[in-house]
Amino acid sequence: DIQLTQSPSSLSASVGDGVTITCRASQSISRYLNWYQFKSGKAPRLLIYGGTSLQSGVPSRFSGSGSGTDFTLTISNLQPEDFATYYCQQSFSTPRTFGQGTKVEMK
Amino acid sequence: QVQLQESGPGLVRPSETLSLSCVVSGFSIRNGFYWGWIRQPPGEGLEWIGFMYHSGASYYNPSLKSRVSISIDTSSNHFSLRLTSVTAADTALYFCARYDSSVAVDAFDVWGQGTMVTVSS
Repeated sequence: DIQLTQSPSSLSASVGDGVTITCRASQSISRYLNWYQFKSGKAPRLLIYGGTSLQSGVPSRFSGSGSGTDFTLTISNLQPEDFATYYCQQSFSTPRTFGQGTKVEMK
Repeated sequence: QVQLQESGPGLVRPSETLSLSCVVSGFSIRNGFYWGWIRQPPGEGLEWIGFMYHSGASYYNPSLKSRVSISIDTSSNHFSLRLTSVTAADTALYFCARYDSSVAVDAFDVWGQGTMVTVSS
């Protein structure tokens, strides 16, 4: 199975800040890397697919980069609704696997 | 707007079978996509359980393959999860989701809110 390691596991930030979350794969997964936003009691939301493509309806302050084994999710100008937990997920092979999550908290 | 809603018993006894349903609204399952399940035990990470195409092809996590099955009912536009011989390790928040397997996307693009299942006597 492909292991995904996210860092940091949590971070504190303020509204208006920029934040970066990284996801490292245990082997090359080309661009088969997706990012999701999870909030308690709400349906999770796909943010980025294919490493860099913004899902329809997702604000442009979210962006993804990377290929191979190293990927990043960047949130610029953090908004109050962005405080949540973010997960990466690989679609290169079965079983599909997820990172352990990064919780973005309000400073 | 496509929406998914899970339902099922919140408590299942050890060794019994866990059965969950996911109703799809705003989209007809027979029009395509894979339909699947993901779970998250309390305090732990996300685990992909499996998904099934509307025409029947299915893929399961090898760690669960001997105990899990997913089925689709296009007439009522819902799909189901069945997990046999459950133990406390199957206690988790269970999500249903649509999987877009197109080359351009290859991601879970619509999710339900999740339903908590506890395995306990």
